[in-house]
Amino acid sequence: EDKVVQSPLSLVVHEGDTVTLNCSYEVTNFRSLLWYKQEKKAPTFLFMLTSSGIEKKSGRLSSILDKKELFSILNITATQTGDSAVYLCAVGAGNMLTFGGGTRLMVKP
Amino acid sequence: DAGVTQSPTHLIKTRGQQVTLRCSPKSGHDTVSWYQQALGQGPQFIFQYYEEEERQRGNFPDRFSGHQFPNYSSELNVNALLLGDSALYLCASRMGVSEQYFGPGTRLTVT
Repeated sequence: EDKVVQSPLSLVVHEGDTVTLNCSYEVTNFRSLLWYKQEKKAPTFLFMLTSSGIEKKSGRLSSILDKKELFSILNITATQTGDSAVYLCAVGAGNMLTFGGGTRLMVKP
Repeated sequence: DAGVTQSPTHLIKTRGQQVTLRCSPKSGHDTVSWYQQALGQGPQFIFQYYEEEERQRGNFPDRFSGHQFPNYSSELNVNALLLGDSALYLCASRMGVSEQYFGPGTRLTVT
């Protein structure tokens, strides 16, 4: 059975801190790994990773995939209160996404 | 460009009843997937529709069924509702093998 595990479960930091969120997976027929941010309802797309070792970057957020060790990290630098959310990691295999349980990030002023 | 839209926003049903949720995909997208997200958990894949056919199904009972229309919009039907069906139901769309974009969800409460 496909499995995606995220850590930590929750995290509290102060504005300006840097955070690293982890995602490990065990899936057959791996296609891609995706990161989403979920604030209230709709998860919003952040990154899709398909190749090992290539960092994807968008502003203060960046992510990288290691297909040999089966994990990915999401980094957020200079955190802001608007970064407070649940961050979801999902692995695409076949036609479906398998999600981890999410990491709840709270950024305090 | 409208993103993925879902209706209704929320609804309350009684055990044993049936419910239909609706989804319109993002413009240009032809594939629709449905997910169930229980409180405090990640979304779980229910099924995916492409070219009006169910292409893949997750580990959900036959009480969960769906449909895709020629304009790519989709419905999720749940029969014989159980208390455990209370959740946020998310629809996601994509074109080809691109990333999936999610709608705002329908919050279903079963009493």
